[in-house]
Amino acid sequence: DVKVTQSSRYLVKRTGEKVFLECVQDMDHENMFWYRQDPGLGLRLIYFSYDVKMKEKGDIPEGYSVSREKKERFSLILESASTNQTSMYLCASRLGGPPNYGYTFGSGTRLTVV
Amino acid sequence: TQLLEQSPQFLSIQEGENLTVYCNSSSVFSSLQWYRQEPGEGPVLLVTVVTGGEVKKLKRLTFQFGDARKDSSLHITAAQPGDTGLYLCAGANSGYSTLTFGKGTMLLVSP
Repeated sequence: DVKVTQSSRYLVKRTGEKVFLECVQDMDHENMFWYRQDPGLGLRLIYFSYDVKMKEKGDIPEGYSVSREKKERFSLILESASTNQTSMYLCASRLGGPPNYGYTFGSGTRLTVV
Repeated sequence: TQLLEQSPQFLSIQEGENLTVYCNSSSVFSSLQWYRQEPGEGPVLLVTVVTGGEVKKLKRLTFQFGDARKDSSLHITAAQPGDTGLYLCAGANSGYSTLTFGKGTMLLVSP
């Protein structure tokens, strides 16, 4: 079964900490995405990547950075965690090419910043 | 900016009832995707509709793409508790590199 695996289901971090969220896919997908999901706001795109070492800003990149050193792995970094970054974080991947291809999502990481 | 509006936001029904969820936009999309997200999990792709007027069936779920490719609907027949979840529509457009997601419809089906 094809998978997108997020390293942690739940995380609690302190304000000011540097936080790493890891995502690995086993489908050889070119494109990978990081979203956050908040009640009433829906899914909001943080960053995405077309290929290794490539990254593009999404709608809300402030306070975040990403790294894609290998095709299967896409990391989201919170440089200095703040309480307003408490959220559900979802990683997704899809094949490159036409935008009609669907996304495969991970199970999510629920991050609480205290 | 492309927007997708979903309605209703919340729906609470009894097992066996029928329901329809709507996804509307003023923009044209090359395709529409529907996802279901269960509590504590990531969204799972249900279907992609590509052609204006297209209808796809997935067991008790019927998906339709509007003729003008600006809207879509999801109809569930004889809902079951296992249908409970957040239903998200997402539009794809060849002019954009990522999907546009609606905010979702939360469906609760009680036994």
